[in-house]
Amino acid sequence: GQNIDQPTEMTATEGAIVQINCTYQTSGFNGLFWYQQHAGEAPTFLSYNVLDGLEEKGRFSSFLSRSKGYSYLLLKELQMKDSASYLCAVIPGGYQKVTFGTGTKLQVIP
Amino acid sequence: DVKVTQSSRYLVKRTGEKVFLECVQDMDHENMFWYRQDPGLGLRLIYFSYDVKMKEKGDIPEGYSVSREKKERFSLILESASTNQTSMYLCASSGGTGNGGYTFGSGTRLTVV
Repeated sequence: GQNIDQPTEMTATEGAIVQINCTYQTSGFNGLFWYQQHAGEAPTFLSYNVLDGLEEKGRFSSFLSRSKGYSYLLLKELQMKDSASYLCAVIPGGYQKVTFGTGTKLQVIP
Repeated sequence: DVKVTQSSRYLVKRTGEKVFLECVQDMDHENMFWYRQDPGLGLRLIYFSYDVKMKEKGDIPEGYSVSREKKERFSLILESASTNQTSMYLCASSGGTGNGGYTFGSGTRLTVV
């Protein structure tokens, strides 16, 4: 089966840096996504990693280690609008079928 | 600029009713998906389709069926709605992992009473 673990909740201060971790155990691996989901809204795409290493995109960066089954999302210069759930998702096999973690709810406080 | 459209934002249905949830995408994507999202359980895949008239069961297909007669439209059907199907339903489409992954619709919050 597929198993994706990420912390349920995190709190961080405005202007700070926060790292959200994700570990996975899947029957195969064809890539890992991070999505952002504000309360009551649909998830929106943040990043995609298929090779080991760090992908940087503005204030957000995502890291992948395939050998460790591990990824993290790094958010810098936190803003209040970054308060949201962050979903880690893995493509274990074909047909673009994605398995999602339960998400990490991030609260940014002043 | 809406790319994946779900027909209803909120829906209330009675137990035993047949329910149709419609999803339309205008990005010419081959792959379309239906998920439900529940607190503490995350997004769970119900059904997906990788081509017209093709469908595959996801992780929780029981109590659901789907229809994909045209490339742009993917319908989720609850044959006989039950209270445990009260949930947020999210449709998504994908043209491939290199194209930004999934694009989600805004979701349908279904309540079965």
